[in-house]
Amino acid sequence: GAGVSQTPSNKVTEKGKYVELRCDPISGHTALYWYRQSLGQGPEFLIYFQGTGAADDSGLPNDRFFAVRPEGSVSTLKIQRTERGDSAVYLCASSLTDRSTEAFFGQGTRLTVV
Amino acid sequence: TQLLEQSPQFLSIQEGENLTVYCNSSSVFSSLQWYRQEPGEGPVLLVTVVTGGEVKKLKRLTFQFGDARKDSSLHITAAQPGDTGLYLCAGAWERGTSGTYKYIFGTGTRLKVLA
Repeated sequence: GAGVSQTPSNKVTEKGKYVELRCDPISGHTALYWYRQSLGQGPEFLIYFQGTGAADDSGLPNDRFFAVRPEGSVSTLKIQRTERGDSAVYLCASSLTDRSTEAFFGQGTRLTVV
Repeated sequence: TQLLEQSPQFLSIQEGENLTVYCNSSSVFSSLQWYRQEPGEGPVLLVTVVTGGEVKKLKRLTFQFGDARKDSSLHITAAQPGDTGLYLCAGAWERGTSGTYKYIFGTGTRLKVLA
């Protein structure tokens, strides 16, 4: 696609529910990154994929968070047993490779846990 | 832990004024990027600086990387309302000798330019 696409744009869920956030990177980009941005803060790294494999998942806050990229293109961030503290904007970015200095961000998914 | 602090956090100025935003760290970064983010949108890359002491200009924006590659500044000349947004710096920290980089974002500077 022309740019990084994230769906949904907004998601409201109840505490304790499971959510999936989707990222469709720029076609041909092999590296994909997930970040979380809380209000008034800069993005915080969660995980990145080079191809299908998670090359660095050191930013995932706990085992309720999981991400997959089974075919090396679209990625899904999965959050189990959501908590109110998970409310944030979840940003996805992609770059040509993980050695690229330029990354392109999607518009984000605003997750609200009530 | 690599941390990037930006100052000021908030800035409200009149159209036509000049301003400087600072990005500081105690860590050395391989490169540093500046992004601008508007409400409801993802960050958009403005520039990447790589060499210590490097200066890059983008129209009315001037970016400088510190000699020791620990800090950077963004200077805007004659600010316009269209410059309003959240400015983020991000430092690239190499993962060991892998040749891959982890980007650490600063806390952001929220700029409002009044007409």
